[in-house]
Amino acid sequence: DIQMTQSPSSVSASVGDRVTITCRASQGVSAWVGWYQQRPGKAPQLLINTASSLQSGVPSRFSGSGSGTDFTLTISGLQPEDFATYYCQQANSFPITFGQGTRLEIK
Amino acid sequence: QITLKESGPTLVKPTQTLTLTCTFSEFSLSSGEVAVGWIRQPPGKALEWLASIYGNDDKFYMPSLETRLTITKDTSKNQVVLTMTNMDPVDTATYYCAHRGSTMPRGFFNYWGQGTLVTVSS
Repeated sequence: DIQMTQSPSSVSASVGDRVTITCRASQGVSAWVGWYQQRPGKAPQLLINTASSLQSGVPSRFSGSGSGTDFTLTISGLQPEDFATYYCQQANSFPITFGQGTRLEIK
Repeated sequence: QITLKESGPTLVKPTQTLTLTCTFSEFSLSSGEVAVGWIRQPPGKALEWLASIYGNDDKFYMPSLETRLTITKDTSKNQVVLTMTNMDPVDTATYYCAHRGSTMPRGFFNYWGQGTLVTVSS
């Protein structure tokens, strides 16, 4: 199985800040990484697929990059609704695997 | 608007078999590129993919759970069923079903059900 390791596991930031979350795959996954946002008590929402492709309706302050084993999710200009938990996911091969999550908290 | 909804028992006893149904609308699971997956999340923990089924009936399972899982589809009812045998308290989790569309690259899930919490306890 491909392991997806996210860092940090939690981060505190203020409204308006820029935050970067990283995800490292245990082996190369090309660009087959997606990012999800999960608010408390809610289902995850896909933000980005294929490393950098923004889902329709997702604000442009979200961006993704990377290929191979290292990927990043950047949120520029944090908004109050962005404080949530974020997960990366690889879809290069089965079994599909997720990172352990990064909790973004208000400072 | 695509919707999915999970249904099944909220409480099961250890060693019992769990049967969950995902009922969906506004898409058909008869196209080979479309898929429905099951993902679970223990309280306070990360997401874990369990299984996916494609419109051409291809099935994929998490290897560590494969002997306990069965995923099937009923295209006429717009349903996907997941069974998990020999339930244990560590299987307590919110179980989600999710949709992978025909235009979605690889196995990314762009629509999710609300989830159903299953507790395993005697």
